Amino acid sequence: GDSVTQMEGPVTLSEEAFLTINCTYTATGYPSLFWYVQYPGEGLQLLLKATKADDKGSNKGFEATYRKETTSFHLEKGSVQVSDSAVYFCALTETSGSRLTFGEGTQLTVNP
Amino acid sequence: NAGVMQNPRHLVRRRGQEARLRCSPVKGHSHVYWYRQLPEEGLKFMVYLQKENIIDESGMPKERFSAEFPKEGPSILRIQQVVRGDSAAYFCASSTSQGANTEAFFGQGTRLTVV
Repeated sequence: GDSVTQMEGPVTLSEEAFLTINCTYTATGYPSLFWYVQYPGEGLQLLLKATKADDKGSNKGFEATYRKETTSFHLEKGSVQVSDSAVYFCALTETSGSRLTFGEGTQLTVNP
Repeated sequence: NAGVMQNPRHLVRRRGQEARLRCSPVKGHSHVYWYRQLPEEGLKFMVYLQKENIIDESGMPKERFSAEFPKEGPSILRIQQVVRGDSAAYFCASSTSQGANTEAFFGQGTRLTVV
């Protein structure tokens, strides 16, 4: 079945540091890929998505590129802020379906 | 526009009681999904419903759990005879249609604690 693997956390960075959170996936078809963010006590918010190979999703300074050859969708940001502290989830959905398969989540803490 | 509304936000039940979790989707959305997030884990799919129909319940435990999405009113996730292992955050999401390119909007979740 489908699965998503994220780098283990937690990740602690200083403000303005570079962020990478690794995500790899296993899927039978051609999935769409997503990054969601969950702030403390809140639900998930869609951060960015990519629907086909080589697509780059971007939002709020975050980027991720759909790499079919490496089955990866790593999240990057050039300069993190304290307000980026949250849990980040990588997810996929198959082209024929709607249910999301999530990774385990990566807790990011950014210190001033 | 109101987003996905879940209530209650926090629910405490004693072992053996019933828990009812409600989800009102975004206005105009007819597709609802329920996910469970156990402590320190990611979200796991439970069930997918479209008005009055269960489309996919492959993630639902076979016993004690049920879900509905009536023609009128919110979607309900019902857990009978709760046990400590049911303690988790339950999230509802809604979308306008089915398909990988359709964005799902999430509610803030109901945090169930079984004591």
